[in-house]
Amino acid sequence: DAGVIQSPRHEVTEMGQEVTLRCKPISGHNSLFWYRQTMMRGLELLIYFNNNVPIDDSGMPEDRFSAKMPNASFSTLKIQPSEPRDSAVYFCASSFKQPGAVRDGYTFGSGTRLTVV
Amino acid sequence: AQKITQTQPGMFVQEKEAVTLDCTYDTSDPSYGLFWYKQPSSGEMIFLIYQGSYDQQNATEGRYSLNFQKARKSANLVISASQLGDSAMYFCAFWFSGGYNKLIFGAGTRLAVHP
Repeated sequence: DAGVIQSPRHEVTEMGQEVTLRCKPISGHNSLFWYRQTMMRGLELLIYFNNNVPIDDSGMPEDRFSAKMPNASFSTLKIQPSEPRDSAVYFCASSFKQPGAVRDGYTFGSGTRLTVV
Repeated sequence: AQKITQTQPGMFVQEKEAVTLDCTYDTSDPSYGLFWYKQPSSGEMIFLIYQGSYDQQNATEGRYSLNFQKARKSANLVISASQLGDSAMYFCAFWFSGGYNKLIFGAGTRLAVHP
């Protein structure tokens, strides 16, 4: 298995532009998570999905952020319009939602480093 | 509210020695799990070890072991025989059964291994 695949690896954009981050979870995993990592705030959970359904988006910072999971193999995180304070590393992670499987850990993608100038 | 705390922003250890990274948590949920992840300078998150709240024995994975003290709500990571490649950020993370499978992370501890 290729693991969790995120694209792009790096994104530099101008303030006000729309940014779309993409994630392909591990095949068979039914939970997907979007995290944001910054020096100041550490790793923050933005939103997570179970079986493609958003369960909790309370971590999404503002209405400028939106996430979708149209099918089990694809998710997007969109920022529109982007601002310099959105600069961070965005991680996608996936897992099984089964009590026994959770001890295998949550598999993270390599992250997308977003810079908004 | 569920909370996880790592009180050591930075630690250093001499190569080949053991080091303990602290992690405490707070929950009233009886079913939960603790994870440790390693994040090297390259940025990826690497799963190291897991301890479930009902596990009778402390978890071990190679040079990694977890000192799980349930009554004290602590789950410290012990790295034995430190190697230079162990230099990285280490995150303790917490899952609880009432949380729909979400993982909550501590602030992390930066470990430096000196030759």
